[in-house]
Amino acid sequence: AQSVTQLGSHVSVSEGALVLLRCNYSSSVPPYLFWYVQYPNQGLQLLLKYTSAATLVKGINGFEAEFKKSETSFHLTKPSAHMSDAAEYFCAVKGSSNTGKLIFGQGTTLQVKP
Amino acid sequence: DTGVSQNPRHKITKRGQNVTFRCDPISEHNRLYWYRQTLGQGPEFLTYFQNEAQLEKSRLLSDRFSAERPKGSFSTLEIQRTEQGDSAMYLCASSLVTNGNTEAFFGQGTRLTVV
Repeated sequence: AQSVTQLGSHVSVSEGALVLLRCNYSSSVPPYLFWYVQYPNQGLQLLLKYTSAATLVKGINGFEAEFKKSETSFHLTKPSAHMSDAAEYFCAVKGSSNTGKLIFGQGTTLQVKP
Repeated sequence: DTGVSQNPRHKITKRGQNVTFRCDPISEHNRLYWYRQTLGQGPEFLTYFQNEAQLEKSRLLSDRFSAERPKGSFSTLEIQRTEQGDSAMYLCASSLVTNGNTEAFFGQGTRLTVV
């Protein structure tokens, strides 16, 4: 069965600092992995996805993530945080069946301090 | 904008009442998903449709919940005899399955509060 663990429910960084949000997955098949962002009272917006091509994936708004099979990780990074990055971030893995359903982690709230 | 549209955005209801939510997916998307998100948690899968056929239901979807997607277009999610534990954000997503690509696009959700 697939599962996702996000380490750290809250992360606080200063504006301009490196953002690192951690995600570890468990999957019985080669995984498809995703990062979504959610602003208050909004739906989810896809930041980036890994679908077994390049292990370093670049997404929108300057975010990127690296797939590391040996560590079963897919951490999200951004070199320099902006105030507008403050939101909740979810890591997800596609379920093993062919349904396309996603299994989400519990989320990490990113706070950006001025 | 032709994104996924959900209505209403907010719903407050009294315990025991029935509620119905609507989701309009992106045009021509053949898959439609419903998820539930409680406070401080990630979304949890409820059910999905391939065109008009409901192909999988989570055990989270009790007998009080029913979803339909007539004609493979919009979908409705009905909750009968609502309970306070049903309070959550209900998210709809749609995708077009081509060559294994199943990128899902989410709507803004319907926030249900049961009082």
